[in-house]
Amino acid sequence: QQQVKQSPQSLIVQKGGISIINCAYENTAFDYFPWYQQFPGKGPALLIAIRPDVSEKKEGRFTISFNKSAKQFSLHIMDSQPGDSATYFCAARESSYKLIFGSGTRLLVRP
Amino acid sequence: NAGVTQTPKFRILKIGQSMTLQCTQDMNHNYMYWYRQDPGMGLKLIYYSVGAGITDKGEVPNGYNVSRSTTEDFPLRLELAAPSQTSVYFCASQGEGGQPQHFGDGTRLSIL
Repeated sequence: QQQVKQSPQSLIVQKGGISIINCAYENTAFDYFPWYQQFPGKGPALLIAIRPDVSEKKEGRFTISFNKSAKQFSLHIMDSQPGDSATYFCAARESSYKLIFGSGTRLLVRP
Repeated sequence: NAGVTQTPKFRILKIGQSMTLQCTQDMNHNYMYWYRQDPGMGLKLIYYSVGAGITDKGEVPNGYNVSRSTTEDFPLRLELAAPSQTSVYFCASQGEGGQPQHFGDGTRLSIL
Protein backbone atom coordinates (compact mmCIF):
# COMPACT_ATOMS: atom_id res chain seq x y z
CA GLN A 1 0.00 0.00 0.00
CA GLN A 2 1.53 3.24 -1.17
CA GLN A 3 0.76 5.93 1.39
CA VAL A 4 2.35 8.78 -0.57
CA LYS A 5 1.81 8.81 -4.33
CA GLN A 6 4.07 11.01 -6.45
CA SER A 7 3.78 12.05 -10.07
CA PRO A 8 5.12 12.35 -12.67
CA GLN A 9 7.91 9.78 -12.62
CA SER A 10 9.99 11.97 -14.93
CA LEU A 11 9.77 15.54 -16.18
CA ILE A 12 11.56 17.53 -18.85
CA VAL A 13 11.37 21.34 -18.71
CA GLN A 14 13.06 24.07 -20.71
CA LYS A 15 15.31 26.52 -18.92
CA GLY A 16 13.23 29.32 -17.45
CA GLY A 17 10.08 27.21 -17.32
CA ILE A 18 8.04 26.05 -14.33
CA SER A 19 8.49 22.53 -12.99
CA ILE A 20 5.55 21.04 -11.09
CA ILE A 21 5.63 17.81 -9.12
CA ASN A 22 2.57 16.47 -7.36
CA CYS A 23 2.01 14.25 -4.35
CA ALA A 24 -1.07 12.81 -2.70
CA TYR A 25 -1.39 11.16 0.68
CA GLU A 26 -3.98 9.11 2.52
CA ASN A 27 -3.21 9.34 6.22
CA THR A 28 -4.68 12.50 7.75
CA ALA A 29 -2.42 12.02 10.78
CA PHE A 30 0.64 13.08 8.76
CA ASP A 31 1.84 16.37 10.26
CA TYR A 32 4.83 17.46 8.20
CA PHE A 33 5.54 17.32 4.48
CA PRO A 34 9.15 17.78 3.32
CA TRP A 35 10.62 17.70 -0.15
CA TYR A 36 14.07 16.23 -0.71
CA GLN A 37 16.42 16.86 -3.62
CA GLN A 38 18.91 14.23 -4.74
CA PHE A 39 21.78 14.68 -7.18
CA PRO A 40 23.43 11.66 -8.86
CA GLY A 41 25.80 9.84 -6.53
CA LYS A 42 24.59 11.75 -3.49
CA GLY A 43 22.07 11.21 -0.74
CA PRO A 44 18.79 13.13 -0.59
CA ALA A 45 18.93 16.53 1.07
CA LEU A 46 16.07 18.55 2.52
CA LEU A 47 14.91 21.23 0.08
CA ILE A 48 11.78 22.74 1.62
CA ALA A 49 9.01 21.60 3.96
CA ILE A 50 5.50 22.58 5.02
CA ARG A 51 3.08 21.88 7.85
CA PRO A 52 -0.62 21.20 7.11
CA ASP A 53 -1.85 24.41 8.77
CA VAL A 54 -0.21 26.44 5.98
CA SER A 55 -1.43 26.49 2.36
CA GLU A 56 1.77 27.72 0.75
CA LYS A 57 5.44 28.11 1.55
CA LYS A 58 7.99 29.82 -0.64
CA GLU A 59 11.78 29.75 -0.47
CA GLY A 60 13.44 31.49 -3.38
CA ARG A 61 12.36 29.78 -6.60
CA PHE A 62 10.84 26.82 -4.75
CA THR A 63 7.21 26.83 -3.55
CA ILE A 64 5.11 24.17 -1.85
CA SER A 65 1.35 24.38 -2.34
CA PHE A 66 -0.71 22.39 0.15
CA ASN A 67 -4.38 21.40 -0.15
CA LYS A 68 -5.45 19.77 3.10
CA SER A 69 -9.01 18.95 2.03
CA ALA A 70 -7.79 17.20 -1.12
CA LYS A 71 -4.84 15.60 0.71
CA GLN A 72 -2.47 16.82 -1.97
CA PHE A 73 0.65 18.91 -2.08
CA SER A 74 2.94 20.01 -4.86
CA LEU A 75 6.38 21.46 -5.51
CA HIS A 76 6.73 24.32 -7.97
CA ILE A 77 10.14 25.33 -9.27
CA MET A 78 9.98 28.73 -10.92
CA ASP A 79 12.52 29.83 -13.55
CA SER A 80 13.89 26.28 -13.68
CA GLN A 81 17.65 26.04 -14.27
CA PRO A 82 19.85 23.20 -15.57
CA GLY A 83 21.37 23.02 -12.08
CA ASP A 84 17.92 22.00 -10.78
CA SER A 85 18.19 18.73 -12.71
CA ALA A 86 17.92 16.09 -10.00
CA THR A 87 15.53 13.59 -8.48
CA TYR A 88 12.90 15.03 -6.15
CA PHE A 89 11.13 13.11 -3.41
CA CYS A 90 8.09 14.22 -1.49
CA ALA A 91 7.57 12.74 1.95
CA ALA A 92 5.13 12.74 4.83
CA ARG A 93 5.94 12.39 8.51
CA GLU A 94 4.21 9.47 10.18
CA SER A 95 5.54 10.14 13.67
CA SER A 96 8.14 12.42 15.21
CA TYR A 97 10.88 10.39 13.59
CA LYS A 98 9.51 8.38 10.65
CA LEU A 99 9.04 9.57 7.08
CA ILE A 100 7.11 7.94 4.26
CA PHE A 101 8.62 8.79 0.88
CA GLY A 102 7.05 9.11 -2.54
CA SER A 103 8.52 7.21 -5.46
CA GLY A 104 10.53 10.16 -6.80
CA THR A 105 10.50 12.40 -9.88
CA ARG A 106 13.51 12.70 -12.15
CA LEU A 107 13.68 16.30 -13.41
CA LEU A 108 15.72 17.32 -16.42
CA VAL A 109 15.99 21.01 -17.25
CA ARG A 110 17.21 21.58 -20.80
CA PRO A 111 19.45 24.62 -21.49
CA ASN B 1 31.52 18.67 9.03
CA ALA B 2 31.39 14.96 8.21
CA GLY B 3 27.67 14.45 8.91
CA VAL B 4 26.64 10.89 7.96
CA THR B 5 29.42 8.71 6.54
CA GLN B 6 28.79 5.42 4.76
CA THR B 7 31.34 2.81 3.72
CA PRO B 8 31.98 1.26 1.30
CA LYS B 9 30.68 3.36 -1.60
CA PHE B 10 30.50 0.39 -3.97
CA ARG B 11 30.56 -3.35 -3.49
CA ILE B 12 29.95 -6.45 -5.59
CA LEU B 13 28.95 -9.62 -3.76
CA LYS B 14 28.32 -13.17 -4.87
CA ILE B 15 25.04 -14.85 -3.99
CA GLY B 16 25.22 -16.29 -0.47
CA GLN B 17 28.03 -14.07 0.73
CA SER B 18 27.62 -11.81 3.73
CA MET B 19 28.73 -8.28 4.41
CA THR B 20 28.24 -5.30 6.70
CA LEU B 21 27.45 -1.81 5.47
CA GLN B 22 28.92 0.74 7.82
CA CYS B 23 27.26 4.00 8.88
CA THR B 24 28.51 6.55 11.36
CA GLN B 25 27.31 10.04 12.26
CA ASP B 26 28.99 12.80 14.22
CA MET B 27 25.95 14.94 15.04
CA ASN B 28 24.98 13.10 18.25
CA HIS B 29 21.62 12.21 16.72
CA ASN B 30 19.50 9.64 18.51
CA TYR B 31 17.54 8.55 15.47
CA MET B 32 19.18 6.55 12.68
CA TYR B 33 17.77 4.80 9.64
CA TRP B 34 18.61 2.45 6.81
CA TYR B 35 16.80 2.81 3.49
CA ARG B 36 17.13 1.09 0.17
CA GLN B 37 16.50 2.91 -3.07
CA ASP B 38 15.40 1.04 -6.18
CA PRO B 39 14.61 2.72 -9.53
CA GLY B 40 11.10 4.18 -9.55
CA MET B 41 10.39 2.90 -6.04
CA GLY B 42 11.55 5.74 -3.85
CA LEU B 43 13.14 5.10 -0.47
CA LYS B 44 11.99 2.10 1.51
CA LEU B 45 12.78 1.91 5.24
CA ILE B 46 14.65 -1.26 6.21
CA TYR B 47 15.41 -0.70 9.91
CA TYR B 48 15.57 2.23 12.25
CA SER B 49 16.83 3.04 15.72
CA VAL B 50 15.63 5.59 18.25
CA GLY B 51 18.74 5.34 20.39
CA ALA B 52 21.66 3.16 21.39
CA GLY B 53 20.49 -0.38 22.12
CA ILE B 54 17.08 0.11 20.49
CA THR B 55 16.24 -1.00 16.94
CA ASP B 56 13.03 -1.79 15.09
CA LYS B 57 11.91 -3.11 11.73
CA GLY B 58 10.81 -0.85 8.92
CA GLU B 59 8.87 -1.68 5.80
CA VAL B 60 11.33 -4.14 4.18
CA PRO B 61 13.47 -5.80 6.91
CA ASN B 62 13.68 -9.37 5.54
CA GLY B 63 17.24 -10.47 4.81
CA TYR B 64 18.84 -7.75 6.93
CA ASN B 65 19.96 -7.22 10.51
CA VAL B 66 21.13 -4.19 12.44
CA SER B 67 22.70 -3.29 15.75
CA ARG B 68 23.15 0.00 17.61
CA SER B 69 25.77 -0.35 20.31
CA THR B 70 26.75 3.34 20.22
CA THR B 71 25.00 6.60 19.34
CA GLU B 72 27.38 7.14 16.43
CA ASP B 73 27.27 3.80 14.60
CA PHE B 74 24.45 1.87 12.95
CA PRO B 75 25.76 -1.01 10.79
CA LEU B 76 23.52 -2.99 8.44
CA ARG B 77 24.25 -6.69 8.02
CA LEU B 78 23.38 -8.88 5.03
CA GLU B 79 23.79 -12.52 6.02
CA LEU B 80 23.00 -14.45 2.81
CA ALA B 81 23.13 -12.05 -0.12
CA ALA B 82 20.44 -12.51 -2.77
CA PRO B 83 20.06 -10.82 -6.18
CA SER B 84 16.92 -9.05 -4.88
CA GLN B 85 19.16 -7.12 -2.49
CA THR B 86 20.93 -5.37 -5.35
CA SER B 87 20.18 -1.74 -4.59
CA VAL B 88 21.54 1.56 -3.34
CA TYR B 89 21.52 1.74 0.44
CA PHE B 90 21.26 5.01 2.34
CA CYS B 91 21.85 5.64 5.99
CA ALA B 92 20.28 8.69 7.63
CA SER B 93 20.17 10.32 11.03
CA GLN B 94 17.86 12.78 12.72
CA GLY B 95 18.03 14.91 15.84
CA GLU B 96 15.29 15.64 18.35
CA GLY B 97 12.35 17.96 17.86
CA GLY B 98 11.35 16.90 14.38
CA GLN B 99 14.57 18.02 12.73
CA PRO B 100 15.14 16.93 9.12
CA GLN B 101 16.80 13.64 8.31
CA HIS B 102 20.40 13.87 7.11
CA PHE B 103 21.53 11.30 4.58
CA GLY B 104 24.87 9.77 3.71
CA ASP B 105 25.96 9.43 0.09
CA GLY B 106 24.94 5.79 -0.16
CA THR B 107 26.43 2.36 -0.80
CA ARG B 108 25.81 0.90 -4.24
CA LEU B 109 25.58 -2.89 -3.83
CA SER B 110 25.39 -5.44 -6.64
CA ILE B 111 24.81 -9.13 -5.99
CA LEU B 112 25.66 -11.46 -8.82
